[in-house]
Amino acid sequence: GENVEQHPSTLSVQEGDSAVIKCTYSDSASNYFPWYKQELGKRPQLIIDIRSNVGEKKDQRIAVTLNKTAKHFSLHITETQPEDSAVYFCAASRPGGGADGLTFGKGTHLIIQP
Amino acid sequence: NAGVTQTPKFRILKIGQSMTLQCTQDMNHNYMYWYRQDPGMGLKLIYYSVGAGITDKGEVPNGYNVSRSTTEDFPLRLELAAPSQTSVYFCASSYLLAGASISTDTQYFGPGTRLTVL
Repeated sequence: GENVEQHPSTLSVQEGDSAVIKCTYSDSASNYFPWYKQELGKRPQLIIDIRSNVGEKKDQRIAVTLNKTAKHFSLHITETQPEDSAVYFCAASRPGGGADGLTFGKGTHLIIQP
Repeated sequence: NAGVTQTPKFRILKIGQSMTLQCTQDMNHNYMYWYRQDPGMGLKLIYYSVGAGITDKGEVPNGYNVSRSTTEDFPLRLELAAPSQTSVYFCASSYLLAGASISTDTQYFGPGTRLTVL
């Protein structure tokens, strides 16, 4: 089955700096890659996603890049703000497509230092 | 729309007890999912359903059962609770276009049920 590795497990950056979180996946059949933000005690919230027919997607301060050949994708957050502090999860669609659910990474705890 | 709702929010069970976690969505989504999240970990898929009357196993189905009698509801059943089932359980739903050549889903999550088995 699909395996998703996520790094780093903890990332501390100064407010205003950029943060990058990286994920790799194992199954070349995966075609959908969402990123979720989870605050303590809350549900995961989708922040951005990318499909396998696209190499990059941007939404204001957040961007995601996908390298299908290398089977890795990354989340980039620019001009970080205190409210960006949370746990971020990457995920990849299971073999068979997103309909069969998602395989998640173990998460990155992003800490924004004032 | 309320989105995806789950009940109860919290529950403590004794070993061997049974319970049903409820999940309802009002977005007319055809796909529904159950995940569990252990402390400090990502979510793991337990079961999923592609429509009423159809369910399938995910990564960690042992110890659980599901049913999908309506589009809106997708309950998760624990028959003989064990300490290893202590976790936060999230239900999610999505809508996939029939015949789409590429996944079109965005999964929307419920608020979760925090379950402790002692």
